[in-house]
Amino acid sequence: NAGVMQNPRHLVRRRGQEARLRCSPMKGHSHVYWYRQLPEEGLKFMVYLQKENIIDESGMPKERFSAEFPKEGPSILRIQQVVRGDSAAYFCASSPIAPQGLANYGYTFGSGTRLTVV
Amino acid sequence: KQEVTQIPAALSVPEGENLVLNCSFTDSAIYNLQWFRQDPGKGLTSLLLIQSSQREQTSGRLNASLDKSSGRSTLYIAASQPGDSATYLCAVRTESGSARQLTFGSGTQLTVLP
Repeated sequence: NAGVMQNPRHLVRRRGQEARLRCSPMKGHSHVYWYRQLPEEGLKFMVYLQKENIIDESGMPKERFSAEFPKEGPSILRIQQVVRGDSAAYFCASSPIAPQGLANYGYTFGSGTRLTVV
Repeated sequence: KQEVTQIPAALSVPEGENLVLNCSFTDSAIYNLQWFRQDPGKGLTSLLLIQSSQREQTSGRLNASLDKSSGRSTLYIAASQPGDSATYLCAVRTESGSARQLTFGSGTQLTVLP
C-alpha cells in the first residue's frame, strides 16, 4: 500500500498561470480531503470530495480554486490565475469511509505539494 | 467555531529529557483528537489518535492524554532524542458543524539538542 500519493512534490508557477495538484488516495479509500498550509500558519481545511461528488467546499476560496475527484484517476486541485498569496503547501488526506458514519478513525495524509508563485 | 491552541510554540530541550506538549480546544464536543508530526518540508505523520471516549493512548515513548470536558490534551515524550526534533500538530474533529473537517493547532516546534 503506497499510502496517499501527491504530485508534484514541488511546483513553481508564474503569476497568472494555472496550477494543477494531484492526489491519489490510499487503496480502498474513496474520500479525499484537501488542506492548505500557508507560511507560518496552521493547516486549514479546503474541500472534501467523494468519487464524482464535492461534499463540502466550505474552506475553498470562492474564486479561482476548484477541485474534482473523478470516477477514474486522482483527485485534482486546480488553481487558476495564481497569485503570490497562493504560495503554500497543499496537503491531501484520504479515508475509507464517510466521516459521519464512524468517528474513531484517523486521517492519512500525503507528503504535500509545495506551490511557489513567482 | 472550534479553535485549537498549542503551547508552547517552540521548545528546545537537551537529549534525554522528558517533555510535555499542550493542546487546548474550545468546543469539547469532539469525535476524536489526533497528534501528528511534521518534519521540515515534509508531510504529516500520524502519531496517536484518541477517541472521545478514551483518556489516553500510548505508542512507544509517546503518551497522549485527553480531558474532553476541559478541552485539553497533552503529548508526553519520554527520553527525548535528536530524531524527535520536528513540529508537532494537534488536530480535532468536532461533532458540531462540519464533522468532515479537522481543525489544527499551529503546532509546537521541538528541538532536541544532542
